[in-house]
Amino acid sequence: NAGVTQTPKFQVLKTGQSMTLQCAQDMNHNSMYWYRQDPGMGLRLIYYSASEGTTDKGEVPNGYNVSRLNKREFSLRLESAAPSQTSVYFCASSRTANYEQYFGPGTRLTVT
Amino acid sequence: GQQLNQSPQSMFIQEGEDVSMNCTSSSIFNTWLWYKQDPGEGPVLLIALYKAGELTSNGRLTAQFGITRKDSFLNISASIPSDVGIYFCAGPLNTGFQKLVFGTGTRLLVSP
Repeated sequence: NAGVTQTPKFQVLKTGQSMTLQCAQDMNHNSMYWYRQDPGMGLRLIYYSASEGTTDKGEVPNGYNVSRLNKREFSLRLESAAPSQTSVYFCASSRTANYEQYFGPGTRLTVT
Repeated sequence: GQQLNQSPQSMFIQEGEDVSMNCTSSSIFNTWLWYKQDPGEGPVLLIALYKAGELTSNGRLTAQFGITRKDSFLNISASIPSDVGIYFCAGPLNTGFQKLVFGTGTRLLVSP
């Protein structure tokens, strides 16, 4: 049981480049989430997917898009990266009607 | 919006000491979660609390759901070096499905 996996672990982009962060979970969870973590800001929700086929905006969605590919996979796309998107990105998942979220190891993204 | 305030921001203690930290909110919460994040890793769920007044233990960790439902406490007994990390509290945003708001964390350093 791998839990929540994320790829890549590290990425450096130039301003304006695009990329997709991948996330997968093997816990048969219905809900999945994308967060970013910045120093002194805690974890902030970017997008979430309550169940397969649905996605909704979180606190800081601007500049991002998501795709819930199937029950296991939830990807985050940066269409035109900006330095303000330099951060650590975490994917998480949870069972339906349960607040206990389980996190992946993170992707460290630097935009120059 | 809802905010979670954690204190202290950081602690530097000797191995073997007990540790207490807390999390407060201006709003009532129905759930409190405590996570630990090791350097370079994703947050790991330690304890979940679902009932006011509830006291729950996980090994040397004990967490309590405050009676007012606006606070929660985490205690670590007989600290060891591997307790080093950042401890986050989290609770559900009142605006939506399973969405969490996180505190800014308490950084714990343990001296051998």
